[in-house]
Amino acid sequence: DQQVKQNSPSLSVQEGRISILNCDYTNSMFDYFLWYKKYPAEGPTFLISISSIKDKNEDGRFTVFLNKSAKHLSLHIVPSQPGDSAVYFCAAMPTGNQFYFGTGTSLTVIP
Amino acid sequence: ETGVTQSPTHLIKTRGQQVTLRCSSQSGHNTVSWYQQALGQGPQFIFQYYREEENGRGNFPPRFSGLQFPNYSSELNVNALELDDSALYLCASSGGSGGRADTQYFGPGTRLTVL
Repeated sequence: DQQVKQNSPSLSVQEGRISILNCDYTNSMFDYFLWYKKYPAEGPTFLISISSIKDKNEDGRFTVFLNKSAKHLSLHIVPSQPGDSAVYFCAAMPTGNQFYFGTGTSLTVIP
Repeated sequence: ETGVTQSPTHLIKTRGQQVTLRCSSQSGHNTVSWYQQALGQGPQFIFQYYREEENGRGNFPPRFSGLQFPNYSSELNVNALELDDSALYLCASSGGSGGRADTQYFGPGTRLTVL
């Protein structure tokens, strides 16, 4: 059973515009959420995280929003750059140490 | 600072064989986690080691086993390989206390193909 879902396998955005990547989860015990970026032939790289006590966390061009009632989080990238083209995974953690990853969204930023 | 490294990069085995994958943690990190990423899927948690002890396990059978060494490097062993074990195996190290570890640093992975 997939407890973390990314329903859009791919997304294309023009350079300079906003990219919005979405993630849904089913387990109400998840209380910490992360986004990872993955380039081909490399391991995932940590991007940004958010605790369930917050609803927004910002780091430069990247902002993560958390809607606990809807069990939904999103990653906003503004402005999008060609170097942002990668596969983005959201991950969730309950209390403890096990990450649950989504299936990923492949983002293409068109110059 | 040395990042997380994994060996080998690629590996081909036949069904029923055994395989050992290796991971060197980032300097100063005492926790290592292993993940299996099948094609088109997200990474699935196999287990985590903290200071040489298993510290959590995902939904994988006992033929998946691991070790962590005093220098915090790690091995993943898989016995009686099955075709469905074909995947990218990722290890990730972190400097946490074995509990909440928000920043895991991933290696590039080992691509295992079982024929």
